[in-house]
Amino acid sequence: AQSVTQLDSHVSVSEGTPVLLRCNYSSSYSPSLFWYVQHPNKGLQLLLKYTSAATLVKGINGFEAEFKKSETSFHLTKPSAHMSDAAEYFCVVKPGGYQKVTFGIGTKLQVIP
Amino acid sequence: DAMVIQNPRYQVTQFGKPVTLSCSQTLNHNVMYWYQQKSSQAPKLLFHYYDKDFNNEADTPDNFQSRRPNTSFCFLDIRSPGLGDAAMYLCATSSGSYEQYFGPGTRLTVT
Repeated sequence: AQSVTQLDSHVSVSEGTPVLLRCNYSSSYSPSLFWYVQHPNKGLQLLLKYTSAATLVKGINGFEAEFKKSETSFHLTKPSAHMSDAAEYFCVVKPGGYQKVTFGIGTKLQVIP
Repeated sequence: DAMVIQNPRYQVTQFGKPVTLSCSQTLNHNVMYWYQQKSSQAPKLLFHYYDKDFNNEADTPDNFQSRRPNTSFCFLDIRSPGLGDAAMYLCATSSGSYEQYFGPGTRLTVT
């Protein structure tokens, strides 16, 4: 069985300051991990993915995440928030070889001008 | 560009009137998924196709059906929509066990 815990349902940052969205996971199998972003009334866009290669993963729009097996974490970071980053972010885990994924509950990021 | 397309983007239907949502893809992925997403919630998997093999989630209501006539297209049929079925419906595709690519979604309103 697998599960995902997004530790914050809401995060508020000022424009130009760092972003940290936290995600912990559990999985019985070697997992792949993903971060998706969803803007209002839009579909989900893949930000980045970890699939057992480099533990520091760089994604689109300046986001990156580090896979830490010892801490079972996959936190999403960005050095400097932009207004366009305001959205909902989902951490997703996929056990190796399976088609189905498990979503976290989502973190709503607010960026204050 | 290769993509996942959903039509319509917005659908209004009446209580109890059947409705069909469509999804097409140009990615040639063998797996297609339908999710239901209600406001401020994570997407909830309804079912998925691995090629032609249909996989229903245990808690998906019988009111929801799906068809996949070929690799590119997948349909979601809601036989008798209730007010509780108002939601965003997301289609996604993947190639085997790799990451999923999502369409823009169809916002369903039930009046």
